[in-house]
Amino acid sequence: DQQVKQNSPSLSVQEGRISILNCDYTNSMFDYFLWYKKYPAEGPTFLISISSIKDKNEDGRFTVFLNKSAKHLSLHIVPSQPGDSAVYFCAASAVSAIYDMRFGAGTRLTVKP
Amino acid sequence: DAGVIQSPRHEVTEMGQEVTLRCKPISGHNSLFWYRQTMMRGLELLIYFNNNVPIDDSGMPEDRFSAKMPNASFSTLKIQPSEPRDSAVYFCASSLGEGYNEQFFGPGTRLTVL
Repeated sequence: DQQVKQNSPSLSVQEGRISILNCDYTNSMFDYFLWYKKYPAEGPTFLISISSIKDKNEDGRFTVFLNKSAKHLSLHIVPSQPGDSAVYFCAASAVSAIYDMRFGAGTRLTVKP
Repeated sequence: DAGVIQSPRHEVTEMGQEVTLRCKPISGHNSLFWYRQTMMRGLELLIYFNNNVPIDDSGMPEDRFSAKMPNASFSTLKIQPSEPRDSAVYFCASSLGEGYNEQFFGPGTRLTVL
């Protein structure tokens, strides 16, 4: 059961423009959400997180937005840089089993110079 | 800090053989996770250890899979006997605590079972 869905397998943007990666979830018990970035032949690395008590969290060029009513979150990267080209995974967990992260299938972002 | 270390990075074996994957978590981290990534199922949690004790192994697919953590600096994931459908990338991750803490992933072991 895919409780976390990333419906866009790939996204291509121009350097300097905004990248928007989307994620939907079905389990209303999820209350902690994360984005991980993965380069080829490496493990995922943590990027940014947000808890359900917030609707926005910023860290430099990266902002995550959470819409609980829609069960939707998005990651905005502004401005996009070629080094941001990677696969981005959305993950979610519930306080009842906070260690048990459910991952989306990932979105491959390509930032063109 | 060297990060999470996994060995081997690549493993090719024949069906029926025993496979052992190894992981050294980041020093001081007390939570350890084994994940499997496949095209069909994506990234899924296999087992979670806290303070060397298995807390949740509900993700382990079959009895052919077993995991141990004999001490705070070492864990193994064993598949015996291996099957072609076990071919995947296996990641180990560690974190400090089990709460809202970032998990640090190793580089993964790419397993191919012929």
